[in-house]
Amino acid sequence: GQQVMQIPQYQHVQEGEDFTTYCNSSTTLSNIQWYKQRPGGHPVFLIQLVKSGEVKKQKRLTFQFGEAKKNSSLHITATQTTDVGTYFCAGRGNQFYFGTGTSLTVIP
Amino acid sequence: DTAVSQTPKYLVTQMGNDKSIKCEQNLGHDTMYWYKQDSKKFLKIMFSYNNKELIINETVPNRFSPKSPDKAHLNLHINSLELGDSAVYFCASSQLGMGKETQYFGPGTRLLVL
Repeated sequence: GQQVMQIPQYQHVQEGEDFTTYCNSSTTLSNIQWYKQRPGGHPVFLIQLVKSGEVKKQKRLTFQFGEAKKNSSLHITATQTTDVGTYFCAGRGNQFYFGTGTSLTVIP
Repeated sequence: DTAVSQTPKYLVTQMGNDKSIKCEQNLGHDTMYWYKQDSKKFLKIMFSYNNKELIINETVPNRFSPKSPDKAHLNLHINSLELGDSAVYFCASSQLGMGKETQYFGPGTRLLVL
């Protein structure tokens, strides 16, 4: 069946360092979405990418959709303590699936 | 106004009991979901209803029974609760067929089975 894996599962960074999470699907995706879940909270939609090779930016966050539409990445430049949380990718192959998530800890 | 609401927020119960979690969305969406999030943060879809019809039913024990009385509500009933059912249960909604399928999540129900 379809699987959407994210690496790393956990990441600790010093405040100010960069952070990247990678999302890999076993099947081609028609779109990829990214969500952020703060500790104790619920997942909140960040962005959607649809086109092959698409890159979108939201302030310090850069999202990329791979050329083959099977992978994606989220890069955060100069992390802040407000970036703490779990980041999920999600996409539709034969069904809509969430990735396994990457939990980010930012050390002040 | 809360877009997706769930009750209760916390649920502590004994093994073997039966419990229900309710979900309501006021976004006018046609699709609702139940997800289970375990201690490792994995988000596993359990059920999905589109216009009150079941469209996704992942491998979930039949002790779990969803009910959608109308498009705005999706409730989850759990019979004979087991220790392994302890998790956070999220309800979500989306509008299918718009090319976006953004999921809006409720605040979650933290279930602890003792």
